[in-house]
Amino acid sequence: QITLKESGPTLVKPTQTLTLTCSVSGFSLTTSGVGVGWLRQPPGKAPEWLALIFWDDDKRYSPSFKNRVTITKDTSKNQVILTMTNMHPMDTGTYYCANRIPRGVFSDWGQGTQVIVSS
Amino acid sequence: TVMTQSPDTLSVSPGGRATLSCRASQTVYRNLAWYQQKPGQAPRLLIYDVSTRATGVPARFSGSGSGTEFTLTITSLQSEDFAVYYCQQYQSWTFGQGTKVEIK
Repeated sequence: QITLKESGPTLVKPTQTLTLTCSVSGFSLTTSGVGVGWLRQPPGKAPEWLALIFWDDDKRYSPSFKNRVTITKDTSKNQVILTMTNMHPMDTGTYYCANRIPRGVFSDWGQGTQVIVSS
Repeated sequence: TVMTQSPDTLSVSPGGRATLSCRASQTVYRNLAWYQQKPGQAPRLLIYDVSTRATGVPARFSGSGSGTEFTLTITSLQSEDFAVYYCQQYQSWTFGQGTKVEIK
């Protein structure tokens, strides 16, 4: 059974850097074709894709966020990490990680973690 | 690629049929998925590759279309189907704004 679980701070201050961790089980981060992505969803709005890392450590970033986000993975811990710099109140929302199956779609999602940006 | 869904809200009676539309600003070929989201939950993958149902998705959900115009059809709506539905193209992973299917 594939599971993903996000963890990180609930409250961050404006201009701070956010670091979120996605812990995965039921699949390997090194299996050919596998990817894990980060997405976020502002309150009442549609999800937005942020970043994606592949089994071979190739990375993709949304053009809207490429200057602020970094995605890495720790295969020994089965974790994928997202950092986002210069947080702003408009970055408030629920942040999800999801596995990308070889066909390209995000198949399984974590439960999400809420992030509030406020001073 | 901008994804535009219509309508924003759809009122349907239980047992009825819902037809949701999604338009892409440029061709996405068959790289099109539909997700269902209920309040407080993560999106759930329903359909990918335009018309392939994900594991465990009932047959009353079907997808169609090609290129830039796509449709999600839900027949015999059940109480658990009232939710928000998003289309997504997975060439560059952009989502539509969503269609809320509500009880009429």
